[in-house]
Amino acid sequence: DVKVTQSSRYLVKRTGEKVFLECVQDMDHENMFWYRQDPGLGLRLIYFSYDVKMKEKGDIPEGYSVSREKKERFSLILESASTNQTSMYLCASSLAAGGPKQYFGPGTRLTVT
Amino acid sequence: AQRVTQPEKLLSVFKGAPVELKCNYSYSGSPELFWYVQYSRQRLQLLLRHISRESIKGFTADLNKGETSFHLKKPFAQEEDSAMYYCALSGGDGNKLVFGAGTILRVKS
Repeated sequence: DVKVTQSSRYLVKRTGEKVFLECVQDMDHENMFWYRQDPGLGLRLIYFSYDVKMKEKGDIPEGYSVSREKKERFSLILESASTNQTSMYLCASSLAAGGPKQYFGPGTRLTVT
Repeated sequence: AQRVTQPEKLLSVFKGAPVELKCNYSYSGSPELFWYVQYSRQRLQLLLRHISRESIKGFTADLNKGETSFHLKKPFAQEEDSAMYYCALSGGDGNKLVFGAGTILRVKS
């Protein structure tokens, strides 16, 4: 069974802080994704990566950056957290040869005060 | 541009009643369509994909290219079907997904 884990289930940070959200998958998947999930807006893609050290912007990359130094780990970074980044963040992974079927982590609920 | 529209934020039905969760998409090519489900306190997971043509937990979905729709149906709703349902599309980039806004299904006893 594919396991995607996220470092924190709940996180509370202050405006202006630098925030790191970590995601690890244990199935040797090439592709990894970061989404934010907001009521009424669904899931919106922030960044994705198809390989180590590779990253591509999704639909809403502003205010975020990512890092993929190892195949199993994909980090989302909020350089200077703002209140409008309060959200649920979901990480997902997929096989390059497996098409678009994605496996999701449990999510991190981030509150920025 | 790729877009997925789920017109209902909330669908409330009684147990045993039929369910139809609507999904319309916009894509000029040949899309692959999915339904994902998130039960309370659980992670988002794949329910079904159109190319599999399968029934999962009694749910089916047929891709209608003429109407650009991929509605999710179940003839008799059960309380355990209560969840958030997302329709998703994969287009030109075979690995990325575009999600709709989601529909909360509430099955009442």
